[in-house]
Amino acid sequence: EIVLTQSPATLSLSPGERATLSCRASQSVRSKLAWYQQKPGQAPRLLIYDASNTASGIPARFSGSGSGTDFTLTISSLEPEDFAVFYCQHSRFFGPGTNVNIK
Amino acid sequence: EVQLVESGGGLVQPGGSLRLSCAASGFTFSTYWMSWVRQAPGKGLEWVANINEDGSQRYYVDSLKGRFTISRDNAKRSLYLQMNSLRAEDTAVYFCGRVRGDYDVRDYWGQGILVTVSS
Repeated sequence: EIVLTQSPATLSLSPGERATLSCRASQSVRSKLAWYQQKPGQAPRLLIYDASNTASGIPARFSGSGSGTDFTLTISSLEPEDFAVFYCQHSRFFGPGTNVNIK
Repeated sequence: EVQLVESGGGLVQPGGSLRLSCAASGFTFSTYWMSWVRQAPGKGLEWVANINEDGSQRYYVDSLKGRFTISRDNAKRSLYLQMNSLRAEDTAVYFCGRVRGDYDVRDYWGQGILVTVSS
């Protein structure tokens, strides 16, 4: 079983600021990691797959990096619509999420 | 446009049963693995079950202990989740998702359907 740990649990930022979210796997998952964004009352939306590939229709301000056990999701400049909960995922396992809220 | 639409949720008493459906459109349904993921109120995402393209392979989270069954009808472009012996802890929004890749990336999700188990 793979455990995904996300940090921080909560990130309070202002629009225009840079957001850096971390996901750590308990064992190597190579580059097989995805990131999702979920807004209240909505389904998750795929942002990043294979650790660094941006999904179709996702703005360029979202980027992913990392391999092995350590991964990062970066939002270069937060837009008002970006505030949400972000989850990392590998196979059947999801991380607990990072809540990015408005400071 | 890929669309996944869940139905069949609602309020059910403990010990009861419910069958969720997920209607797919906008893609060749029979060529994709499909998945159910649930989210308890205020909690994170929990994988429930996966099924392969022709329904011959099915995988479940261990904690379900045989109470849930995932199935599909490719002719009807539909995914199902039969839920039996429901418990209060099964209360959640259930999402169907299209799966791609070898590590279960869900590239499209339904809007979710609420299942409430309560007396």
